[in-house]
Amino acid sequence: QKEVEQNSGPLSVPEGAIASLNCTYSDRGSQSFFWYRQYSGKSPELIMSIYSNGDKEDGRFTAQLNKASQYVSLLIRDSQPSDSATYLCILSGNTGKLIFGQGTTLQVKP
Amino acid sequence: KAGVTQTPRYLIKTRGQQVTLSCSPISGHRSVSWYQQTPGQGLQFLFEYFSETQRNKGNFPGRFSGRQFSNSRSEMNVSTLELGDSALYLCASSFSRDVGGELFFGEGSRLTVL
Repeated sequence: QKEVEQNSGPLSVPEGAIASLNCTYSDRGSQSFFWYRQYSGKSPELIMSIYSNGDKEDGRFTAQLNKASQYVSLLIRDSQPSDSATYLCILSGNTGKLIFGQGTTLQVKP
Repeated sequence: KAGVTQTPRYLIKTRGQQVTLSCSPISGHRSVSWYQQTPGQGLQFLFEYFSETQRNKGNFPGRFSGRQFSNSRSEMNVSTLELGDSALYLCASSFSRDVGGELFFGEGSRLTVL
């Protein structure tokens, strides 16, 4: 089992819809969870960080964390074509080392 | 404030050669980490430095090495290049020693090995 699992996609949603990106992990001691966005040919940039169970909202983005079920998700409301990118789930494991998911490619169609 | 600067941005090498990549972190950031990104493997952690000390290392062969200088600038070296080393090499800096802190990535160095 991979330490961090993400569906590679592509996940295709129509403009204006809600995009739901999911990430499951195996290390129960994981403390910090991050979602990074990477446009094609560009470097990753941080969108959201979440540290405790529940939801965290920032504009059109909501991160959800459920440590008991070992998953973290990112919801993008009112998806725009400019949201088309690869979304990386990154977490800080029990040892402090960062663990990376493979990324999910999101395509928002006008 | 200036971002993370990586040089060179693009380079082409042949098998067996060696390469050195440079990374200048954001001013005040003392943690620098390196990553290899390929279409097939995604983003893979190489190593992390903090205050000139290697703190963590990924699962890469000994041909991959790095170091950090007293001004926090970092270099990574790949010796005896192989075709499979062709990739985008990303450097990221962080203010906090805690790896949970936000990473700021550079634009990367794209290496092609022929």
